[in-house]
Amino acid sequence: EADIYQTPRYLVIGTGKKITLECSQTMGHDKMYWYQQDPGMELHLIHYSYGVNSTEKGDLSSESTVSRIRTEHFPLTLESARPSHTSQYLCASSESGRADTQYFGPGTRLTVL
Amino acid sequence: ELKVEQNPLFLSMQEGKNYTIYCNYSTTSDRLYWYRQDPGKSLESLFVLLSNGAVKQEGRLMASLDTKARLSTLHITAAVHDLSATYFCAVGRGGGADGLTFGKGTHLIIQP
Repeated sequence: EADIYQTPRYLVIGTGKKITLECSQTMGHDKMYWYQQDPGMELHLIHYSYGVNSTEKGDLSSESTVSRIRTEHFPLTLESARPSHTSQYLCASSESGRADTQYFGPGTRLTVL
Repeated sequence: ELKVEQNPLFLSMQEGKNYTIYCNYSTTSDRLYWYRQDPGKSLESLFVLLSNGAVKQEGRLMASLDTKARLSTLHITAAVHDLSATYFCAVGRGGGADGLTFGKGTHLIIQP
């Protein structure tokens, strides 16, 4: 099972602030993902990466950006937070391969006032 | 566009009963996953199903896949309270795109 970490776990911030949500994994997985989940709802893929220097957009249009400079690290940045960004953000990682089960981090619960 | 539909979305059942959650998906995919989520927690992987007719079991949970019907089922046998959670199915996006498309989840409450 993957060890995957997210910080902060909870964040309350004002409109217009720049924020970065951190995600790190220690299993050497090539693939990493960001999903957005509103309470009690399904997850939506917003970004993913196949490896270092690779980033792709997911299904859900997002004003966030991501980077992948190191294998273990996949931060997500919002340049100017808005109340519509209030949600839970879940990071996941997986090995490359057909049975590439995604292992999820604990999530960051973001509230933008 | 891949769509994943689960039903029921809400299920309240008694301990000791059996029940099945259904997951339909709209386009061909070679991977289907079941996850569990407890309130306020992250997702826990339960099963990955990769081929037509695949069946996997863990304790009181059994998952199956019919790729021709684009249907997966999660069967609960003799439910116990500890199985109360939200269960998500997710399908590989395919077509050169990575990541998963999730169903809306089945919120399961098991009452004594």
